[in-house]
Amino acid sequence: GQSLEQPSEVTAVEGAIVQINCTYQTSGFYGLSWYQQHDGGAPTFLSYNGLDGLEETGRFSSFLSRSDSYGYLLLQELQMKDSASYFCAVRVRDDKIIFGKGTRLHILP
Amino acid sequence: SAVISQKPSRDICQRGTSLTIQCQVDSQVTMMFWYRQQPGQSLTLIATANQGSEATYESGFVIDKFPISRPNLTFSTLTVSNLSPEDSSIYLCSVAGNINTGELFFGEGSRLTVL
Repeated sequence: GQSLEQPSEVTAVEGAIVQINCTYQTSGFYGLSWYQQHDGGAPTFLSYNGLDGLEETGRFSSFLSRSDSYGYLLLQELQMKDSASYFCAVRVRDDKIIFGKGTRLHILP
Repeated sequence: SAVISQKPSRDICQRGTSLTIQCQVDSQVTMMFWYRQQPGQSLTLIATANQGSEATYESGFVIDKFPISRPNLTFSTLTVSNLSPEDSSIYLCSVAGNINTGELFFGEGSRLTVL
């Protein structure tokens, strides 16, 4: 089967750094991506890792270790608008994207 | 990027009826994906809709319950049949922006409540 595990909730302070971890076990692996979803909104694509290492996009970075079946999303200089749910997702065979259960990020002022 | 329009945005239906959700994309796309998301939960892939062929359903989803049409490269419909309260959920249409990066664009979703 397919499983992606990530924490259900994380709380951090405005201006701080937070890391959201994701471990996966899937039939086929073609890359790890991250999505953000605000309440009532549609998921939006944040980042992608196809190879091991760190990818940086502004305040957001994402990391992948294929040997450990592990990745994380790092959010720096947290802002209140970053309060949302974050999903890791894996591209598996047949170009399907499978999502984790999501991590709800709470940001305290 | 792709702009995806879904209709209806929300609906309340009676048990035993059916609801058809429409998804219109502003560009031609090969693959369209239908997801279900219960409030506060993850996105679960229902099926992949390819133009000119039968949709491919994921485990736990069957064509009789979730028939899909894909008449052309910009449009698809998902019908949820014989509704029960367990079908209450948000249904999302999506297309691949760059499938090599796992990038999907999503419609705003159709929130279904079954009484």
